[in-house]
Amino acid sequence: GDSVTQMEGPVTLSEEACLTINCTYTATGYPSLFWYVQYPGEGLQLLLKATKADDKGSNKGFEATYRKETTSFHLEKGSVQVSDSAVYFCALIRTAGGTSYGKLTFGQGTILTVHP
Amino acid sequence: NAGVTQTPKFQVLKTGQSMTLQCAQDMNHEYMSWYRQDPGMGLRLIHYSVGAGITDQGEVPNGYNVSRSTTEDFPLRLLSAAPSQTSVYFCASSYSFSSTDTQYFGPGTRLTVL
Repeated sequence: GDSVTQMEGPVTLSEEACLTINCTYTATGYPSLFWYVQYPGEGLQLLLKATKADDKGSNKGFEATYRKETTSFHLEKGSVQVSDSAVYFCALIRTAGGTSYGKLTFGQGTILTVHP
Repeated sequence: NAGVTQTPKFQVLKTGQSMTLQCAQDMNHEYMSWYRQDPGMGLRLIHYSVGAGITDQGEVPNGYNVSRSTTEDFPLRLLSAAPSQTSVYFCASSYSFSSTDTQYFGPGTRLTVL
């Protein structure tokens, strides 16, 4: 079945440091890939997405590129802020065909803490 | 737009009790779903609905029932609560189940079963 593997956390960084959170996936066909963010006490918000190979999703200074050859979708940011402290989830949806019916398959989440 | 709303925010139940977690959306979305979030396991799909009157099971449906009588509402019922159902529950909705549609999540319900 489909699966998503994220790097183990938690990740602790100083403000303005570079961030990379690794994400690899296993899925049939060509899934769409997502990064969701969960701020403390809140629900999940879509951070960025990519729907086909070599697409780059970007938002709020975060970027991730859909790499089909390495089945990866690593999240990067050049300079993190304290306000980026949150839990980050990598996820996929299998595209049309089969019975995925919008089912998001999530990684286990990576806790990011940014210190001033 | 209020987006996706969930009630209650917190709930404590005793083993064997029943309850309903409420979920509503005001975006006229056809697709709605329920996930549970457990430490170290990400989110797992419980049930989903592709439109009013249509529901189906997800990955972990045992112990939960759903119905979808309107486009707006998608309640999740726990028939006889068990400690294994202690979790945070999220409702989500999207325009359709297309893989390119953004799914919007509610704020969650934290449930503890004693």
